Amino acid sequence: DVKVTQSSRYLVKRTGEKVFLECVQDMDHENMFWYRQDPGLGLRLIYFSYDVKMKEKGDIPEGYSVSREKKERFSLILESASTNQTSMYLCASSLMGGNTGELFFGEGSRLTVL
Amino acid sequence: QKEVEQDPGPLSVPEGAIVSLNCTYSNSAFQYFMWYRQYSRKGPELLMYTYSSGNKEDGRFTAQVDKSSKYISLFIRDSQPSDSATYLCAMSPINNNDMRFGAGTRLTVKP
Repeated sequence: DVKVTQSSRYLVKRTGEKVFLECVQDMDHENMFWYRQDPGLGLRLIYFSYDVKMKEKGDIPEGYSVSREKKERFSLILESASTNQTSMYLCASSLMGGNTGELFFGEGSRLTVL
Repeated sequence: QKEVEQDPGPLSVPEGAIVSLNCTYSNSAFQYFMWYRQYSRKGPELLMYTYSSGNKEDGRFTAQVDKSSKYISLFIRDSQPSDSATYLCAMSPINNNDMRFGAGTRLTVKP
């Protein structure tokens, strides 16, 4: 059974803290993504990566960075958390050149910044 | 104007009803059209996908794409309480690194 695992389901952090969100996939997918999901706004792409050590900005990269040191792992970093980064964060992966465009999602990490 | 518009609902129907969910879009470059289902406290899962225009049926679910009107639909026949979830439309050009999502419609099917 294919799986995308997000290590932290619920986090509460304080303004200014550094936050790491970890994501691991076991499908040998080349592409990995980080989205945030907010009511009324749907899923918005923060960053994606199509290969180890490669990264591309999505629509809302400000305040975030990412790291992909291994093919199966993609980390999202909030250097200095702010209250407007309170959200649900979803990691996803997909096969390069896959003809359905299917994204496989993790269960999400709900972050609250106080 | 958002690139993908989807009525967030919520939508509540009785068990057995036919459900119609819709999205409109503005980017004519979109070629892949998908519907994801997201249960509470879970990540989205792909439910249906269609390439270009046309209909696709899978059991109780039918996806329709009308590229001339930039309009896509998902129909659920004989809806069940287990269909209660948020339904997200998604679409992308050939390169799926540029997938765009609707806001999601929250559906409740009451027994």
